[in-house]
Amino acid sequence: RKEVEQDPGPFNVPEGATVAFNCTYSNSASQSFFWYRQDCRKEPKLLMSVYSSGNEDGRFTAQLNRASQYISLLIRDSKLSDSATYLCVVNNFGNEKLTFGTGTRLTIIP
Amino acid sequence: EPEVTQTPSHQVTQMGQEVILRCVPISNHLYFYWYRQILGQKVEFLVSFYNNEISEKSEIFDDQFSVERPDGSNFTLKIRSTKLEDSAMYFCASSVRQPNYGYTFGSGTRLTVV
Repeated sequence: RKEVEQDPGPFNVPEGATVAFNCTYSNSASQSFFWYRQDCRKEPKLLMSVYSSGNEDGRFTAQLNRASQYISLLIRDSKLSDSATYLCVVNNFGNEKLTFGTGTRLTIIP
Repeated sequence: EPEVTQTPSHQVTQMGQEVILRCVPISNHLYFYWYRQILGQKVEFLVSFYNNEISEKSEIFDDQFSVERPDGSNFTLKIRSTKLEDSAMYFCASSVRQPNYGYTFGSGTRLTVV
């Protein structure tokens, strides 16, 4: 089983719609969770950390379910500029490294 | 906004040659990392560096690879004898603390081995 699994997509969504991505992780020792965004041939950029209580940043809402080992990202009122690959990222307790999922590709259609 | 700077942006090298990829992390950051991303694949951890020594490395980071912080600002990744399969985007990253707070990545060096 992959350590971090995401639906690769692509998700093609009309502008203004709401879109949700899911991610599962296999290691119950995982302690920190993030969503990064990556534009084509660019570096990953931190979108938001994911906290147990859930957190929101503008149009973006992230949720964590530790019991199900599941992370989600919700994007409301999607913009053309939201088109990117969204990476689910996990850090395990005692490790330095971040473990990346393969990413979910999102295209917002005008 | 502070940036992690990487040079060169693109390097083409012949198989068997040595390459050095350079990074200038954000000045007050203490933890430094190299990751790579083969085209079409996920981002993979190579090595982390703290307090002038390697703190963690992956299976990918074998004897062909080394890292160095030769002065107070630069952080380098050396590949001694490049293979075709080393062709990838190499990202440097830094963080002020351990990964709990996320990293800042540089814009990457695209390495092409021919």
